[in-house]
Amino acid sequence: DAKTTQPNSMESNEEEPVHLPCNHSTISGTDYIHWYRQLPSQGPEYVIHGLTSNVNNRMASLAIAEDRKSSTLILHRATLRDAAVYYCILENQAGTALIFGKGTTLSVSS
Amino acid sequence: DSGVTQTPKHLITATGQRVTLRCSPRSGDLSVYWYQQSLDQGLQFLIQYYNGEERAKGNILERFSAQQFPDLHSELNLSSLELGDSALYFCASSVGRWLGSGTQYFGPGTRLTVL
Repeated sequence: DAKTTQPNSMESNEEEPVHLPCNHSTISGTDYIHWYRQLPSQGPEYVIHGLTSNVNNRMASLAIAEDRKSSTLILHRATLRDAAVYYCILENQAGTALIFGKGTTLSVSS
Repeated sequence: DSGVTQTPKHLITATGQRVTLRCSPRSGDLSVYWYQQSLDQGLQFLIQYYNGEERAKGNILERFSAQQFPDLHSELNLSSLELGDSALYFCASSVGRWLGSGTQYFGPGTRLTVL
């Protein structure tokens, strides 16, 4: 099964961009890349997902490497509310496996 | 509010006991997922049901079992409880059988403490 690798922690200043990396070197061609985040004392919430092309939504952007072996979640302007654990998740299209990374704890300073 | 409900919110029990956690998915969602989150293990996927049938299995112990009922609510049964089973248990739901077809919505969790 494909696995993901993320840094344990990252720090950012408020209103600066944040790039959260995820390595998934064994990804298969049909695996979707999902990002979820978990704010303190809450359940995880959806951030963004993609397959091959870069994706943008109101929360973030997802940049997927051409070979799909890595991806980067981009928060364009970090706020204090973005302090959370960010999970990079692979899901194969058959839906038979959900593989979570360990997550990256993002700290945001004012 | 994600629309996913979980009961109870907190549960305290003793080793060796059996408990049942309940989850009601968002209206219209057919998939239910169960996760375990402990301090040292992070978020671990346990099992997924889609429209009443088991769809995917993760790191679920044999002492644990789950089912999804015709009204689509789901129950996670934990038996022969051990201290190490103390954790936050999340339920999530989505429309389709796999995430690519939609977003996964998480409930607030059930905190299980085994003494």
